[in-house]
Amino acid sequence: QSALTQPASMSGSPGQSITISCSGTSSDIGRYNYVSWYQQHPGKVPKLMIYDVSDRPSGVSNRFSGSKSGNTASLTISGLQPEDEADYYCSSYASGNTLVFGTGTKVTVL
Amino acid sequence: QAQLVQSGADVKKPGASVRVSCNSSGYYFTGYYIHWVRQAPGQGVEWMGWMNPNSAATKYGQNFQGRVTMTGDTSISAAYMELSRLTSDDTAIYYCVRDRGGSKAFDIWGQGTLVTVSS
Repeated sequence: QSALTQPASMSGSPGQSITISCSGTSSDIGRYNYVSWYQQHPGKVPKLMIYDVSDRPSGVSNRFSGSKSGNTASLTISGLQPEDEADYYCSSYASGNTLVFGTGTKVTVL
Repeated sequence: QAQLVQSGADVKKPGASVRVSCNSSGYYFTGYYIHWVRQAPGQGVEWMGWMNPNSAATKYGQNFQGRVTMTGDTSISAAYMELSRLTSDDTAIYYCVRDRGGSKAFDIWGQGTLVTVSS
């Protein structure tokens, strides 16, 4: 099972919006609506930000939104804030009752 | 509140095995799958497998087949991950995580256990 493909880095100014892509296949993202996104600050444990493609856990800002089209999922961060600077990972349920993570994206707030 | 607390850091020699424990509290242990993931220094997150505490069923990632064993002890609400035939490539932080149920999304994370493989 190969890792899902994410851009290595993205950046934006405070207040801007950015969209992180997560590219998979018809055996994972394209087949199941079980895409999740995690935020990880340096030295910290990852935090669940989005599950089931577009649902937000309680307490997660509505500036974070998720979507999916075909074999590609996306995470959009609106109104970028300094505290959004972190690494972001997507994950997807995959065939064979397995799971796969993305390669990770480092977001920098300029 | 629900939490997962893992065992402390460990140092192993190549070829050895390591066992990481994960103690749960604040929720019904047998009601949620436990997954294990790892993160090598400066690298991304890698899924290792899951264990169903209710049935003891497991599913392992292809990269770990034959080398990993995931078990649980419902009497003390604990999960365990044992990885054998360690190499330096296994140096990583190992996390136990709770599957929130049905979504394969991880809502509760252990604090992580650093396993260092070095001769």
